[in-house]
Amino acid sequence: DAGVIQSPRHEVTEMGQEVTLRCKPISGHDYLFWYRQTMMRGLELLIYFNNNVPIDDSGMPEDRFSAKMPNASFSTLKIQPSEPRDSAVYFCASGGRTHGYTFGSGTRLTVV
Amino acid sequence: AQSVTQLDSQVPVFEEAPVELRCNYSSSVSVYLFWYVQYPNQGLQLLLKYLSGSTLVESINGFEAEFNKSQTSFHLRKPSVHISDTAEYFCAAMNSGYSTLTFGKGTMLLVSP
Repeated sequence: DAGVIQSPRHEVTEMGQEVTLRCKPISGHDYLFWYRQTMMRGLELLIYFNNNVPIDDSGMPEDRFSAKMPNASFSTLKIQPSEPRDSAVYFCASGGRTHGYTFGSGTRLTVV
Repeated sequence: AQSVTQLDSQVPVFEEAPVELRCNYSSSVSVYLFWYVQYPNQGLQLLLKYLSGSTLVESINGFEAEFNKSQTSFHLRKPSVHISDTAEYFCAAMNSGYSTLTFGKGTMLLVSP
């Protein structure tokens, strides 16, 4: 089991550019979560999916953020256009209620 | 909504000393509790969890946590820490019947020689 796989590990982009973060959850996990971590706000839940269906996106900060899960083995988080305040570490996690979550290694996004 | 409070942002301790990282949650409604550890530049790793049954749960590396319903606490303890335990520790709670974890702000454990 390779765990939750996120790509890229690091992303540096210029303000205004589109950024796409990718996640491959653990096979068999029916929940997928996107979190953002910053020093100021800690861990924030952005959106989560159950069986590929978005359940709660109330944590998505703005319309610039969107997430998709076209199938059980892949999800994307897109920011368009990106802004410097979007700089953070973005984590994907998969799992379920009594399992706890398994986190990926994260994508460190820097918007300059 | 559930909330999780970790009162200590940093806990400095000497190697081989005991440590306690405090965690309180807001709701005593049936709740699942978790501790995660984050080493530098890594994701969060599940350390231990309480779902039901025995109120004392243990991890494989010597940490333990006790669920205390009356005090709505789930403090993490280790009788003797190592340098390698230096990391950030997050307490998290989930109301049974829901799927989302609410995290505390984390406690940085700093172990020095």
